[in-house]
Amino acid sequence: NAGVMQNPRHLVRRRGQEARLRCSPVKGHSHVYWYRQLPEEGLKFMVYLQKENIIDESGMPKERFSAEFPKEGPSILRIQQVVRGDSAAYFCASSQQGPANYGYTFGSGTRLTVV
Amino acid sequence: KQEVTQIPAALSVPEGENLVLNCSFTDSAIYNLQWFRQDPGKGLTSLLLIQSSQREQTSGRLNASLDKSSGRSTLYIAASQPGDSATYLCAVHGGGGSEKLVFGKGTKLTVNP
Repeated sequence: NAGVMQNPRHLVRRRGQEARLRCSPVKGHSHVYWYRQLPEEGLKFMVYLQKENIIDESGMPKERFSAEFPKEGPSILRIQQVVRGDSAAYFCASSQQGPANYGYTFGSGTRLTVV
Repeated sequence: KQEVTQIPAALSVPEGENLVLNCSFTDSAIYNLQWFRQDPGKGLTSLLLIQSSQREQTSGRLNASLDKSSGRSTLYIAASQPGDSATYLCAVHGGGGSEKLVFGKGTKLTVNP
């Protein structure tokens, strides 16, 4: 039973390009969360999704960032027109039936570098 | 708004020492608390999950306690080893009117051989 799979592990983009980060949750998990970790900072919540629905996007920047979790396939975090300040590690987590009882399982992250 | 604080920010100990990492949170209305380990450049590994109704959880040399009313948790590591060197993160789910998992900034532990 594979854990949370994130790809790519490392992504380099030039300023103005688009970045697409993918996350496949643990099999059977229907709740997905995205977190961002800036250098020397703690992990900050970005967005919480269930299949085909965004439940809480209060941590998402208002512009350039979007997320989806389609009925089939992985969750995608999309960053348009990247800037240097978007350089960070982006972590995806999943849980079963909400994390209140089961906790979260995290992926290994995608490290985005904007040059 | 839920806030999580971890003390100390960094800790260096000789091998074999027992140690305690501290975590405090501002809103006691949590569902659970989770301790994670993060190695440099790596993802998060879940160590222990304590439900709000529980007082402690144990796994091997690790023991985590939870005092929800005072907003505190401790992670006790017995007989520390160089392989325990990592950043330890405390995270709470719930509280502050939120469903989010809120993290502390972590304690960076170095165990010297």
